[in-house]
Amino acid sequence: NAGVTQTPKFRILKIGQSMTLQCTQDMNHNYMYWYRQDPGMGLKLIYYSVGAGITDKGEVPNGYNVSRSTTEDFPLRLELAAPSQTSVYFCASSYELAGANVLTFGAGSRLTVL
Amino acid sequence: GQNIDQPTEMTATEGAIVQINCTYQTSGFNGLFWYQQHAGEAPTFLSYNVLDGLEEKGRFSSFLSRSKGYSYLLLKELQMKDSASYLCAVMDSNYQLIWGAGTKLIIKP
Repeated sequence: NAGVTQTPKFRILKIGQSMTLQCTQDMNHNYMYWYRQDPGMGLKLIYYSVGAGITDKGEVPNGYNVSRSTTEDFPLRLELAAPSQTSVYFCASSYELAGANVLTFGAGSRLTVL
Repeated sequence: GQNIDQPTEMTATEGAIVQINCTYQTSGFNGLFWYQQHAGEAPTFLSYNVLDGLEEKGRFSSFLSRSKGYSYLLLKELQMKDSASYLCAVMDSNYQLIWGAGTKLIIKP
């Protein structure tokens, strides 16, 4: 199993550009998530999905969009990139362990908006 | 508001023991997680506590006191590869994860 795969690993965008961060998992997990991680702060949930065709907003959804057409894929779209979206983005899926949803993260995508 | 507090940075010596504390104030409680994150890498799951007490897993143990809103991660026989950030996260009453900013652990020979 490859686990959770994210692309690209690094990207520089200009203000106002758009892009899609790709995320795919091969573990047949129903739950998938997008987080951003900023220096000195905890991970913040952007969007999540409980299964194909179902998505919901997290704590910081503004400026982002997602879709979940298949169990495997959960892309994150940035429209009109802003410097405030400079961050490291992690995609994750989760499995149940003793009643808890344990997250498996992708390697991360470092995005800089200039 | 909801809050998770952890020390920003700690230093310890190879072979020693270190305790990383986490205190939380959340709306409800449905479990506490510890994740390890090496620099430039993704977080990986270490432990989960939902009942009071100590959970031991090899060199790592995690303790929870729900009445005190407090947890700690105990690392024994420290190795250089334990140099990483340790993230505390609490699942609130809505089953949303609230994350601390992480504790950067530096291991010195």
